[in-house]
Amino acid sequence: DTAVSQTPKYLVTQMGNDKSIKCEQNLGHDTMYWYKQDSKKFLKIMFSYNNKELIINETVPNRFSPKSPDKAHLNLHINSLELGDSAVYFCASSQEFSGYEQYFGPGTRLTVT
Amino acid sequence: GQNIDQPTEMTATEGAIVQINCTYQTSGFNGLFWYQQHAGEAPTFLSYNVLDGLEEKGRFSSFLSRSKGYSYLLLKELQMKDSASYLCAVRSNYQLIWGAGTKLIIKP
Repeated sequence: DTAVSQTPKYLVTQMGNDKSIKCEQNLGHDTMYWYKQDSKKFLKIMFSYNNKELIINETVPNRFSPKSPDKAHLNLHINSLELGDSAVYFCASSQEFSGYEQYFGPGTRLTVT
Repeated sequence: GQNIDQPTEMTATEGAIVQINCTYQTSGFNGLFWYQQHAGEAPTFLSYNVLDGLEEKGRFSSFLSRSKGYSYLLLKELQMKDSASYLCAVRSNYQLIWGAGTKLIIKP
């Protein structure tokens, strides 16, 4: 039983394309997150969703848009992909906003060529 | 500004003890987390401190001093599988601020 799942695990695409990464959690958590981890391994928060409302929107390009059809899902859509978008993207969830513990998905390694 | 500092890399010997330090300067404080991340995998929760003192959990312990803006993660009886990055994160004003992580290398 996977707590937080992401698809796809690997994504290779060309510059200028549009792609989506899906995330689902079956923990009944109220808050979900998207993180970007670059080659230097620094984990950077991108978005948080609490009860289907965006509550954090860090200074990321507007080419990135989170979409939450329901409390258990938070998808990440990226338009006009750039080389600098290459990274590992992690989805996570917690019982409450920045709550006691965040559970991470396995990550999606995005490579833009 | 908000800042979290950790050593970039540490090396220790199997069976030994290692202490990974984390210092923070944040506008607010609502708790400090330690996560472990093996190469190519997702971070996993290790510990949470909100009050001063030592929290022990098996071979791992975490210490917090709020007045000093300081925490450490203590790993005892090191095993090869402990080779990983260790991330310190501070909850500040309902945001979670992450350190860059400490890569721990265990040698036989």
